Amino acid sequence: DGGITQSPKYLFRKEGQNVTLSCEQNLNHDAMYWYRQDPGQGLRLIYYSQIVNDFQKGDIAEGYSVSREKKESFPLTVTSAQKNPTAFYLCASTRGGSAYNEQFFGPGTRLTVL
Amino acid sequence: GEDVEQSLFLSVREGDSSVINCTYTDSSSTYLYWYKQEPGAGLQLLTYIFSNMDMKQDQRLTVLLNKKDKHLSLRIADTQTGDSAIYFCAEILSGAGSYQLTFGKGTKLSVIP
Repeated sequence: DGGITQSPKYLFRKEGQNVTLSCEQNLNHDAMYWYRQDPGQGLRLIYYSQIVNDFQKGDIAEGYSVSREKKESFPLTVTSAQKNPTAFYLCASTRGGSAYNEQFFGPGTRLTVL
Repeated sequence: GEDVEQSLFLSVREGDSSVINCTYTDSSSTYLYWYKQEPGAGLQLLTYIFSNMDMKQDQRLTVLLNKKDKHLSLRIADTQTGDSAIYFCAEILSGAGSYQLTFGKGTKLSVIP
């Protein structure tokens, strides 16, 4: 079955530590996205990538970094510079390149910084 | 202000119809979407409408689009307890060859048995 996987589902880290969230897709999609979701805030775009080895900042990129070395993978690192990292993180992908842009979402990773 | 606005909460009785409303600001949006998020899960696309349509029906779901007022609504007929979730309205923005979705904050639908 094709889809997007995110691991782990729950992640706990101490303040000041960097942490990397995994996102893998086997849908052969070109574009991938990272969103942050806070209660009552909807989804806010952190980074996106339209093609391998290329990515752009979204609305709230400060304190985060990404890489896109493979089409299937788009890991997100939450650095110690992110002031309030506790949130639900969602990864998504889409075929890209057209106005009809159904995004397929992973199950999410809930990060808690202690 | 927000690009896409929705009320945050809606409560209905099982069997009644639910209507979730959304306003958006980009008149050039070509597609508008409704996503559903169940607790602790990712989002799933429920339905979408192309901007040259006024209405789209898919089983219990009816989407109405008023382009003049930039108003989108989702009607769920015969609402069931399994419909309890957060519903997100989203519009597509195009620029520099990429297509980004802008989401509303989501409407939490609670279905009372």
